[in-house]
Amino acid sequence: DTGVSQDPRHKITKRGQNVTFRCDPISEHNRLYWYRQTLGQGPEFLTYFQNEAQLEKSRLLSDRFSAERPKGSFSTLEIQRTEQGDSAMYLCASSLTERGYTFGSGTRLTVV
Amino acid sequence: DQQVKQNSPSLSVQEGRISILNCDYTNSMFDYFLWYKKYPAEGPTFLISISSIKDKNEDGRFTVFLNKSAKHLSLHIVPSQPGDSAVYFCAASVRVDSSYKLIFGSGTRLLVRP
Repeated sequence: DTGVSQDPRHKITKRGQNVTFRCDPISEHNRLYWYRQTLGQGPEFLTYFQNEAQLEKSRLLSDRFSAERPKGSFSTLEIQRTEQGDSAMYLCASSLTERGYTFGSGTRLTVV
Repeated sequence: DQQVKQNSPSLSVQEGRISILNCDYTNSMFDYFLWYKKYPAEGPTFLISISSIKDKNEDGRFTVFLNKSAKHLSLHIVPSQPGDSAVYFCAASVRVDSSYKLIFGSGTRLLVRP
């Protein structure tokens, strides 16, 4: 287990299409986070799971966004009816403690 | 409402000299601060952290200073090396209900010239 894995690394989609991203955290980490980063900005918090429970969602996460972590292991982030403003790097992170995050390499989404 | 601010978008330093990256915050509830380093096409990598009960933490060439009264922290890299060229993000940790989340600044791009 070498770290947090995200798939795909890149996704180009047409506006209006649905996309789904997957994150595999470090196996013993029970906390999983999704962040979004746009050009020139730092990562922005989207949502947080402890085991399979989604404990917090940002206001950034509109009703077109949904995240799941069904068995407390991998997580998926789905965006429905994508818009050009959804183009960003989507980062997943996991942690065992409350402080130390390990980030994946991200999924870069381009909506055309 | 930007609670963590990195006002310098870029910094250029000669190899061997000191790099100083600055970060300001507004929320006095932040109790833990971290610096992350990011290369292109990769996720952020943890670099160094500091608890609000300390004013300095050192790890090799990297030192973070915290001035709580000024709500300011800085990252010192000495000596700077070309491989340090990356984007550096300051982050603050805050407890919200049952979780901690990180609030990031907008980043400073460091270029270390050979």
